[in-house]
Amino acid sequence: DAGVIQSPRHEVTEMGQEVTLRCKPISGHNSLFWYRQTMMRGLELLIYFNNNVPIDDSGMPEDRFSAKMPNASFSTLKIQPSEPRDSAVYFCASAKTGAGETQYFGPGTRLLVL
Amino acid sequence: RKEVEQDPGPFNVPEGATVAFNCTYSNSASQSFFWYRQDCRKEPKLLMSVYSSGNEDGRFTAQLNRASQYISLLIRDSKLSDSATYLCVVKGNDYKLSFGAGTTVTVRA
Repeated sequence: DAGVIQSPRHEVTEMGQEVTLRCKPISGHNSLFWYRQTMMRGLELLIYFNNNVPIDDSGMPEDRFSAKMPNASFSTLKIQPSEPRDSAVYFCASAKTGAGETQYFGPGTRLLVL
Repeated sequence: RKEVEQDPGPFNVPEGATVAFNCTYSNSASQSFFWYRQDCRKEPKLLMSVYSSGNEDGRFTAQLNRASQYISLLIRDSKLSDSATYLCVVKGNDYKLSFGAGTTVTVRA
């Protein structure tokens, strides 16, 4: 079975540009999480969706960040405008509610904002 | 105070050695506990859950001490492939996982 799929794997952009990160969760999973990982702050939860509905977006750092989940098999995280301090690895994870709720992480998107 | 605190290491050990490290958590209401493993430039992957009575998975042994709010991981007969960062993860009664910053283990030949 395919795991969580993320694209792009790497992104280099200039400050002020829009960045869109994409995630395809594992089929049958109904929970989706977006995380950000940096050396300074470790892994931080940005937003959590359950059954395509955003449940908790308290970790989204600013209005520049937005996330959508239009259907059960696709989610996006958008940063507009991007800033150098947004440089990080962004992970998407999915889980099946009630089945131990182990979160399975995608390979991540390494974002560098110049 | 961070929710989950870990000794960052690094722990440098020779092949075949035993290495052990702990993490502490601040929320006494935490209900589930895990160790995740993260290789360099890779995603975190579940290594094992941690149960109240302690549990083993091959060369890995996890212990939970609820009274002192700490979790431990012990690796016996360490292999080169055990070199990684080990993340202590704590879950409350909701969906949120709280991650420690990780303990780096390097196994040398």
